Amino acid sequence: DTGVSQDPRHKITKRGQNVTFRCDPISEHNRLYWYRQTLGQGPEFLTYFQNEAQLEKSRLLSDRFSAERPKGSFSTLEIQRTEQGDSAMYLCASSGRESPGLVDTQYFGPGTRLTVL
Amino acid sequence: QQQVKQSPQSLIVQKGGISIINCAYENTAFDYFPWYQQFPGKGPALLIAIRPDVSEKKEGRFTISFNKSAKQFSLHIMDSQPGDSATYFCAASRRMDSSYKLIFGSGTRLLVRP
Repeated sequence: DTGVSQDPRHKITKRGQNVTFRCDPISEHNRLYWYRQTLGQGPEFLTYFQNEAQLEKSRLLSDRFSAERPKGSFSTLEIQRTEQGDSAMYLCASSGRESPGLVDTQYFGPGTRLTVL
Repeated sequence: QQQVKQSPQSLIVQKGGISIINCAYENTAFDYFPWYQQFPGKGPALLIAIRPDVSEKKEGRFTISFNKSAKQFSLHIMDSQPGDSATYFCAASRRMDSSYKLIFGSGTRLLVRP
């Protein structure tokens, strides 16, 4: 079990550019989450996938944000026309198949730190 | 709307002391309350979690105390060690959200002095 991996770890871009981040969840996990964490704050939920289906999106996820999870494996998060306010740590988490009455632990990746100049 | 309020924002404890971090929630539908530990440059890692049908859960030096009527829960770190220095986040989720998305508190930066 190699854990959740994210790529790149750091991204510096200029305002107006598009960026794409990748998340590879733990292999047997069917649930995948994206969160955003700004300095000094807790992570905030952005979106959720169960297998390849995107089932929930936060109001934080503006039209400039899009996420995909083709074939229910890795996921990508794209931000178009980046703004300085997009600067944050973008965290991916995955969890396994739910047991009745139980909640599976969400395992987080190391995050991608985005800086928009 | 801040659904989970966490305090204090920062905490300094001497080695061997007890660290206590508190959280309060508003939504009575929450039914899962985890604590995550985060080191600089790393993602959050689950430390311990509790459901509201129990009032206390202990794992090693870490204990969660849960007060359902007050809608509060706290993390106690016994015999605090310098290696415990990290940021701690409480969180909550609810089964009626099929995603089980986590709502996090704002975090507590803990420093354990040698």
